[in-house]
Amino acid sequence: AQRVTQPEKLLSVFKGAPVELKCNYSYSGSPELFWYVQYSRQRLQLLLRHISRESIKGFTADLNKGETSFHLKKPFAQEEDSAMYYCALSAHGTSYGKLTFGQGTILTVHP
Amino acid sequence: GAVVSQHPSWVICKSGTSVKIECRSLDFQATTMFWYRQFPKQSLMLMATSNEGSKATYEQGVEKDKFLINHASLTLSTLTVTSAHPEDSSFYICSASNNAGTDTQYFGPGTRLTVL
Repeated sequence: AQRVTQPEKLLSVFKGAPVELKCNYSYSGSPELFWYVQYSRQRLQLLLRHISRESIKGFTADLNKGETSFHLKKPFAQEEDSAMYYCALSAHGTSYGKLTFGQGTILTVHP
Repeated sequence: GAVVSQHPSWVICKSGTSVKIECRSLDFQATTMFWYRQFPKQSLMLMATSNEGSKATYEQGVEKDKFLINHASLTLSTLTVTSAHPEDSSFYICSASNNAGTDTQYFGPGTRLTVL
């Protein structure tokens, strides 16, 4: 069975500082990894997925299979980045792309 | 585009009654819809996968007779909580995918269920 771990429930940084939200996973096969974000009073939305290898809102994430990690990074945090961030995994080979979510990390960016 | 709605956004019911929650894809056809449950300050737990025109696939530990799922069309899936009890109180979220679940999932806003 797959598992996603986000070790930090809360993360606080100041505006302009670098930020890294950690995500580790366990899965015996080849996973597809995602980061979802939920802003205050809004629905969950996709931030980025590892197969796209794109940068969204300045965020990037690299899949490290050796360390089974998919940490989310941004060099200069902005106040509008304050939100709940979920790391999620979809196991390849399943027919329906079911997502397993981590516990989430609340990011607060102070002015 | 790719908007998913849920109705109602919140509901309060008496213990023993049944509650139906609707999940609609407004501007795309959803081959697959997923139902999640989220407890306060906790993560989303997948309850079941719903495919249009076929029976839902439930995750281990989820009672299929208690949480009835119907995906009668490509734009609508319903979750009925039967004989609800206070422990069923939770935030229920659906998501929809238009490519057999392998494409991006779009999430609904969630439904807050409170059972008295």
